[in-house]
Amino acid sequence: DAGVIQSPRHEVTEMGQEVTLRCKPISGHNSLFWYRQTMMRGLELLIYFNNNVPIDDSGMPEDRFSAKMPNASFSTLKIQPSEPRDSAVYFCASSAGTDLYGYTFGSGTRLTVV
Amino acid sequence: KQEVTQIPAALSVPEGENLVLNCSFTDSAIYNLQWFRQDPGKGLTSLLLIQSSQREQTSGRLNASLDKSSGRSTLYIAASQPGDSATYLCAVRGAGSYQLTFGKGTKLSVIP
Repeated sequence: DAGVIQSPRHEVTEMGQEVTLRCKPISGHNSLFWYRQTMMRGLELLIYFNNNVPIDDSGMPEDRFSAKMPNASFSTLKIQPSEPRDSAVYFCASSAGTDLYGYTFGSGTRLTVV
Repeated sequence: KQEVTQIPAALSVPEGENLVLNCSFTDSAIYNLQWFRQDPGKGLTSLLLIQSSQREQTSGRLNASLDKSSGRSTLYIAASQPGDSATYLCAVRGAGSYQLTFGKGTKLSVIP
């Protein structure tokens, strides 16, 4: 099992550009989460999907942020247009429905918007 | 709204010492509690998961306890090693929720 796979690992972009972060959850996991980590606010949930359906997107900070999960093995988080305050580490996590094993996190994408 | 607090924010100990990291949460209606380790610039590695019906979990030199009624959990690390240096995060999943609420973490430094 390769775990939760995120790409890219690092992304540097200019303000105003579109940024797309990608995530492949663990096969068989039916819940997927996007988190953002900053020094000031720690880890915050942005959105979570259950069986590919967005269940709670109340953590998405602005309309500039959008997330999709077209199938059980792929999700994207898009920021358009990006701003310097979006600079953070973005984590994807997945879990199985039984939740006996908790959540598994990917290695994260470090986003820098200049 | 669930709030999770970890004290201390940073801790420095000499190698070989036993230590305890603390986590408290405001809403005792939880489904489970998970301890993670995060190395600088890396992702989160799950260490221990305690279900709400359990009192403790052990893995090697790590022991996590849960007192749901008082809203507290501790992570005990025995015979600390320099390789244990990392940030340790506590996360709570509320009952009836899929959301994990994280503490800000305790940054541990084990000095050789």
